[in-house]
Amino acid sequence: NAGVTQTPKFRILKIGQSMTLQCTQDMNHNYMYWYRQDPGMGLKLIYYSVGAGITDKGEVPNGYNVSRSTTEDFPLRLELAAPSQTSVYFCASSYSISGTGFEKLFFGSGTQLSVL
Amino acid sequence: TQLLEQSPQFLSIQEGENLTVYCNSSSVFSSLQWYRQEPGEGPVLLVTVVTGGEVKKLKRLTFQFGDARKDSSLHITAAQPGDTGLYLCAGGRGNTDKLIFGTGTRLQVFP
Repeated sequence: NAGVTQTPKFRILKIGQSMTLQCTQDMNHNYMYWYRQDPGMGLKLIYYSVGAGITDKGEVPNGYNVSRSTTEDFPLRLELAAPSQTSVYFCASSYSISGTGFEKLFFGSGTQLSVL
Repeated sequence: TQLLEQSPQFLSIQEGENLTVYCNSSSVFSSLQWYRQEPGEGPVLLVTVVTGGEVKKLKRLTFQFGDARKDSSLHITAAQPGDTGLYLCAGGRGNTDKLIFGTGTRLQVFP
């Protein structure tokens, strides 16, 4: 099994450009998450999904959009890139809902995004 | 406001030394997880503790959840270069909230 796969690995955007970060998992997990990681700040939850067709905002959703049309895929969309969105983005999935103590999050290898 | 503060932020030691990383909060958590992240990769779960005072061991790593479930520690005995990485704690507060990640401790172990 590949686990959680993210593409691209690196990307440089100009201010105002748009892009989609792709995420797919092959573990048949219902729960999927998008995090951003900034130096010294840990991981901040952007959006999450509890199943196909259902998404909800996390701690830092402004400037991002998501969709979940299938169990496997959970793309993250940046519509008008801003320098504040320069970060490393991680997609994750889990069998159980995060926060209960019974979940195990599986992370992708990340996308390093720079907005100049 | 960062709910989970980790200390130290950086730690650089020689192979064979012992070390402890702390994860502190003023909030109570129902569960506490520790992850290790290597450069260019995503975090990987090491352990989950759910009971106040609980101690779990994973080879040379010892994890403890505070009695009041507000803090946790990770102790590494005889550190090895393979222990190098970013260590993240993450607290859960039940299924209505999602995991809250700590600020991270970057560990470098030199041969």
